[in-house]
Amino acid sequence: NAGVTQTPKFQVLKTGQSMTLQCAQDMNHNSMYWYRQDPGMGLRLIYYSASEGTTDKGEVPNGYNVSRLNKREFSLRLESAAPSQTSVYFCASRGLGGNEQFFGPGTRLTVL
Amino acid sequence: AQRVTQPEKLLSVFKGAPVELKCNYSYSGSPELFWYVQYSRQRLQLLLRHISRESIKGFTADLNKGETSFHLKKPFAQEEDSAMYYCAPPPPFYNQGGKLIFGQGTELSVKP
Repeated sequence: NAGVTQTPKFQVLKTGQSMTLQCAQDMNHNSMYWYRQDPGMGLRLIYYSASEGTTDKGEVPNGYNVSRLNKREFSLRLESAAPSQTSVYFCASRGLGGNEQFFGPGTRLTVL
Repeated sequence: AQRVTQPEKLLSVFKGAPVELKCNYSYSGSPELFWYVQYSRQRLQLLLRHISRESIKGFTADLNKGETSFHLKKPFAQEEDSAMYYCAPPPPFYNQGGKLIFGQGTELSVKP
C-alpha cells in the first residue's frame, strides 16, 4: 500500500495564479483532511471531508476550496494564490473505527 | 474553552538527559489523545496513543485526568529524537471559538 500520496511535492506560484493540490489514499478511509503547517503556528486544519460527498471548513478555510472526488481522492484548490499561502500542505486520512490519522509527505508551496 | 495546548515551542536538551514534552487539555468527557512525531522534512507519523499505554522508541505518555495532562517522556534523550512533536485529539475537534485540531507543536532539539 502506498498509504497517502500527494502531488506535487514542490510548487512555486506567482501571486494570482491558481493551482490544485492532489491527495489520494488507498486505505479505504472515510475521512480526509487538509492541513497547512507554518513555522510557529503548528498544524492548522483547512478543510476536511468526513465521508465521500461531504466537506466542511476547518480553522483556516479562506482562500481555499476542496473537492472530494471519490472515496480515494481529496483535492485542495487555490483559486488566486497569495504570498500568505506560502506553506507546507499536508493531507491526512482516517478510517472508520480508528482515530489515528495517516499523513501524506506534504507539498511545499511558495507564492511569490 | 476546549483546547489542547503545548506550552513549549522549543525544548533543547543534551544527549542522555531526560525529556518531558508537555501537553495539557481542557475539555469535558473522556479524552483520547495521541502524540505524533515529524522528523525533519518528513511526514507526521503516530508515535503514541494513550489507549495503548505502550512505549515506542523509549517514549511513554500517561493520561493524567487529575492534572488534565498527557506529557511525553523519555528517560535518556538521543540525538535522533530531534524532531517536531504534536499532541492531538482525534479529528475533528471543535472548541467554542473555532476548530482547534492539533496542539501547536514542540520542537525537540537534542544536542551531543
